[in-house]
Amino acid sequence: EAQVTQNPRYLITVTGKKLTVTCSQNMNHEYMSWYRQDPGLGLRQIYYSMNVEVTDKGDVPEGYKVSRKEKRNFPLILESPSPNQTSLYFCASRSSGLMNTEAFFGQGTRLTVV
Amino acid sequence: AQSVTQPDIHITVSEGASLELRCNYSYGATPYLFWYVQSPGQGLQLLLKYFSGDTLVQGIKGFEAEFKRSQSSFNLRKPSVHWSDAAEYFCAVGDYKLSFGAGTTVTVRA
Repeated sequence: EAQVTQNPRYLITVTGKKLTVTCSQNMNHEYMSWYRQDPGLGLRQIYYSMNVEVTDKGDVPEGYKVSRKEKRNFPLILESPSPNQTSLYFCASRSSGLMNTEAFFGQGTRLTVV
Repeated sequence: AQSVTQPDIHITVSEGASLELRCNYSYGATPYLFWYVQSPGQGLQLLLKYFSGDTLVQGIKGFEAEFKRSQSSFNLRKPSVHWSDAAEYFCAVGDYKLSFGAGTTVTVRA
């Protein structure tokens, strides 16, 4: 089954404690991205990756890091989480062929930073 | 810069009634447009998409959307709403980068 898998689904952590949210896709997609969803703001892009070892900032990259060492994985790293990073996070992947393709989203990771 | 506006934050509709959700976009070229639905506690499910061609697009669950270039709009419609359509709906525009609207929450009353 084609899917994007995020882990963990829920996470409560303390300010300053480094954490990683994993994302894996099994569709051989070149393009992957991370979004955060906040009430009244919709989803905003954090980082994206066009392919292995190619990453770039989205609209709200501050406080986040990513890496793309393998095509299937695109982890999101919070080196020093702060309460304003409490949010619902989504990973997405998409084929590089744009015509008639859409983004596939993971189930989301709800992060609370206290 | 690309952007999406969903003017309605919350819509309440009776079961069996019609539904229309508005979406206006800003995009520099021919837009790729999408509607996603998010049920409580769930991820995003694609309802339909527009890339080119026929401006009336059919999607899943009985939804359709019409692309109107002159109005920069991509409104979502459903002729008869079911209670299971209660959810949050997002309009999005873009290619590799998707810009989302703030979402419209739909409540269905019996």
